Amino acid sequence: LAKTTQPISMDSYEGQEVNITCSHNNIATNDYITWYQQFPSQGPRFIIQGYKTKVTNEVASLFIPADRKSSTLSLPRVSLSDTAVYYCLVGLADSNYQLIWGAGTKLIIKP
Amino acid sequence: KAGVTQTPRYLIKTRGQQVTLSCSPISGHRSVSWYQQTPGQGLQFLFEYFSETQRNKGNFPGRFSGRQFSNSRSEMNVSTLELGDSALYLCASSGVPRIDEQFFGPGTRLTVL
Repeated sequence: LAKTTQPISMDSYEGQEVNITCSHNNIATNDYITWYQQFPSQGPRFIIQGYKTKVTNEVASLFIPADRKSSTLSLPRVSLSDTAVYYCLVGLADSNYQLIWGAGTKLIIKP
Repeated sequence: KAGVTQTPRYLIKTRGQQVTLSCSPISGHRSVSWYQQTPGQGLQFLFEYFSETQRNKGNFPGRFSGRQFSNSRSEMNVSTLELGDSALYLCASSGVPRIDEQFFGPGTRLTVL
């Protein structure tokens, strides 16, 4: 059964690049990896989604190695406003699109 | 396009009562998912409805139920409330067959006394 594992918390400083890695050992060929960001008292917000190799948008990059057993969310030049919880998610294409959420990584950005 | 709306935003109930929460998805979205979020447990998936049918269900007791109407609006019901049901209940809608890209509402904060 697919499961996602990510660090509970991370600290970094303004202006740094932050990489958050998620492990997902048993994902199938058609499963996508998605990342969400959540601020306190708000619903999560979609950041980025990928299937393989690298995906980049205006907010982040997502790196997925060939074996797809993990993925890394990369946030370039973080600011204080990037302090949030980041969730890794795997969508199981062959199981009625069941979503497997990670427990979330609390990212704290310091000045 | 209007976002996902949830009503009410805040609710206070007492143990043993029941509660119904409502969610209006983004126009055109046919999938609606419900989540419970507590400080210590993160996001816990409750269930997902697609075209009025429950397609996926999480590991919650039968006191938690839901339904979806033909206009894709969804309701969630919790009967015989317990103190541990106090949480933020989030609704999310998706407009694609794959529901990985979800749009979340602001949530309903339920407090059970």
